Amino acid sequence: GENVEQHPSTLSVQEGDSAVIKCTYSDSASNYFPWYKQELGKRPQLIIDIRSNVGEKKDQRIAVTLNKTAKHFSLHITETQPEDSAVYFCAARLALQPLVFGKGTRLSVIA
Amino acid sequence: KAGVTQTPRYLIKTRGQQVTLSCSPISGHRSVSWYQQTPGQGLQFLFEYFSETQRNKGNFPGRFSGRQFSNSRSEMNVSTLELGDSALYLCASSLDGMIWSGSYEQYFGPGTRLTVT
Repeated sequence: GENVEQHPSTLSVQEGDSAVIKCTYSDSASNYFPWYKQELGKRPQLIIDIRSNVGEKKDQRIAVTLNKTAKHFSLHITETQPEDSAVYFCAARLALQPLVFGKGTRLSVIA
Repeated sequence: KAGVTQTPRYLIKTRGQQVTLSCSPISGHRSVSWYQQTPGQGLQFLFEYFSETQRNKGNFPGRFSGRQFSNSRSEMNVSTLELGDSALYLCASSLDGMIWSGSYEQYFGPGTRLTVT
C-alpha cells in the first residue's frame, strides 16, 4: 500500500521568512495530494490540494509543488505569520483508496 | 452550510467497556471516513463508508466497527476498550470520494476525545 514520509518533523522560522515542508510517497499511481493544517485543539483544515495532472498550485501565501518523477510534493509558505504556527499534514491517495497521511510537521513562527 | 459535527466531544470509559461515536457529515456529502489520531502515530485510517456500504477498511482489530445510515450519518463502535484506544477520533466527509468526479476534498469534524482508564 501507499506510504507517505514527511520532513521535517519540527520547523522553526522567523516571522516573514519562508517555510518549506516536503513529503515523499511510494506508489506512483497516487493522484491526489492534499495538505491539512491543524491548530492546537482544533480539527485538521484542508488548506490546499493538488492533483497529479498539475505541477504547481498557489493560493495567496501558500503553494504546493508536485514532482511525479521523484514522487515528492512540497508545501511552501511565504511571508510567514504567527498564525501560521500549527501542525501541517500531507497526504496522498490512489483512486478508490483512502488517504494516507504523513506524520506531520510542527511549524513554529517566531515573532 | 453547517460543517461536520461529532458527538460526544469528550468521553471517559474504563477498560472492557464499549463506546459508540457519532458523525454527521456536511449536507449532501455521501462519503464518511473515520481516523484515529494519536501523538505517536499521527492520523490512521479506520474505515470509509459510502451510501451505507463500507468501501475501505484500515488495519485495526475487529473490535472497531462502523456503519452508515441512509441519511449519511455514521457511527463507529469500539468494543472491549483497551488503554491504547485512548485517542482523538476524527471523522471526515466528502461529496462522493471519487477523484475523477473532482469531489474528493475531505472536511474534518472536531473529533471525539476518548480516554480509557
